[in-house]
Amino acid sequence: RKEVEQDPGPFNVPEGATVAFNCTYSNSASQSFFWYRQDCRKEPKLLMSVYSSGNEDGRFTAQLNRASQYISLLIRDSKLSDSATYLCVVNMERGSNYQLIWGAGTKLIIKP
Amino acid sequence: DGGITQSPKYLFRKEGQNVTLSCEQNLNHDAMYWYRQDPGQGLRLIYYSQIVNDFQKGDIAEGYSVSREKKESFPLTVTSAQKNPTAFYLCASSIGGNNYGYTFGSGTRLTVV
Repeated sequence: RKEVEQDPGPFNVPEGATVAFNCTYSNSASQSFFWYRQDCRKEPKLLMSVYSSGNEDGRFTAQLNRASQYISLLIRDSKLSDSATYLCVVNMERGSNYQLIWGAGTKLIIKP
Repeated sequence: DGGITQSPKYLFRKEGQNVTLSCEQNLNHDAMYWYRQDPGQGLRLIYYSQIVNDFQKGDIAEGYSVSREKKESFPLTVTSAQKNPTAFYLCASSIGGNNYGYTFGSGTRLTVV
């Protein structure tokens, strides 16, 4: 089982719709969680951190479910510019240290 | 504007050659990282450095080497011992620790010819 798993997609969604995707992680002791956005052939950019209480930034909402070991990202009123790959990142214990473990990403395509 | 600069953007390597990828940051970040990205896979950590003159191996360090002589610079050498070097290489920095987001450079796309 992968340490951080995401549905690769693609999710094809009409403009204006709401879309949500999840990311599961294997280590219940994981400390912190992030969503990054990566455009085709570009570097990842931090979209938002995921807090225990959930957090919202404009049209984007991130939530953490520690009991079921997953985080989610919800995008409301989707725009064409939201088309990208969304990477889930988990800070996970590795030996005596913690290390960021990256999911392979979920591809989102917003259609006009 | 502060940021991370990676060069070159594209690099072609012949079999048996060593090549060095540059990474420079002016964000005054202590920690720097090198990742490799292959299609359909998550980013994999090659090396990281949390302070000048110190660095640690990541999950896939074999065939790579780094140095951290200055806070601003963290070059990666892909040696001939790396058997499958074709990939997208990303350098990142953070203010320190993994509870903060990383800032990435724009990447170097390395191809073996």
